Amino acid sequence: DTAVSQTPKYLVTQMGNDKSIKCEQNLGHDTMYWYKQDSKKFLKIMFSYNNKELIINETVPNRFSPKSPDKAHLNLHINSLELGDSAVYFCASSQDITSEYNEQFFGPGTRLTVL
Amino acid sequence: AQSVTQLDSHVSVSEGTPVLLRCNYSSSYSPSLFWYVQHPNKGLQLLLKYTSAATLVKGINGFEAEFKKSETSFHLTKPSAHMSDAAEYFCVVTRYGQNFVFGPGTRLSVLP
Repeated sequence: DTAVSQTPKYLVTQMGNDKSIKCEQNLGHDTMYWYKQDSKKFLKIMFSYNNKELIINETVPNRFSPKSPDKAHLNLHINSLELGDSAVYFCASSQDITSEYNEQFFGPGTRLTVL
Repeated sequence: AQSVTQLDSHVSVSEGTPVLLRCNYSSSYSPSLFWYVQHPNKGLQLLLKYTSAATLVKGINGFEAEFKKSETSFHLTKPSAHMSDAAEYFCVVTRYGQNFVFGPGTRLSVLP
């Protein structure tokens, strides 16, 4: 069973379109995250949710909107896609935010290409 | 504020020789530290984590790391490199799991 899954794996779209990436974890974790990895492999946190509540919202354009319908899901919706949004987006989860030794479990990534 | 520096963007070793990937951190508090590995076109996998129980931490696939507070370092080592170790390695610092800060990554190449 896949612990953290993302769909789709690849997403190719035109500038200006709106798209969503879905993430699900079956680990029973309370906390979920979205990261963006650029072409130089640099990973930057975008959002973090704990028990469906937003706890981290880094400086990200408001075209990006996360949605957590329940603890096991954290979806990422992107409006008006731009060329600079092309990247690999990773979803991750961790047990909770109370223990500093919790590791994160990562999904396989979604490669977004904006043409 | 926390930050992570990985001193080498690319390390190349021969198969069977030791691996050293360097990581230095900056943190106002006692940090939690992790090493993750990313194989090509894959997600990230945890190699090991520092839990303050012991300064020398053993991870998967023969990797280990030593926490040195005086040097603010958490270098990753392996006695003998294998071809399958070729990947991108990330050092991560966090506090209470709320703000994971990733280093820029070190690409490890293993030559036959």
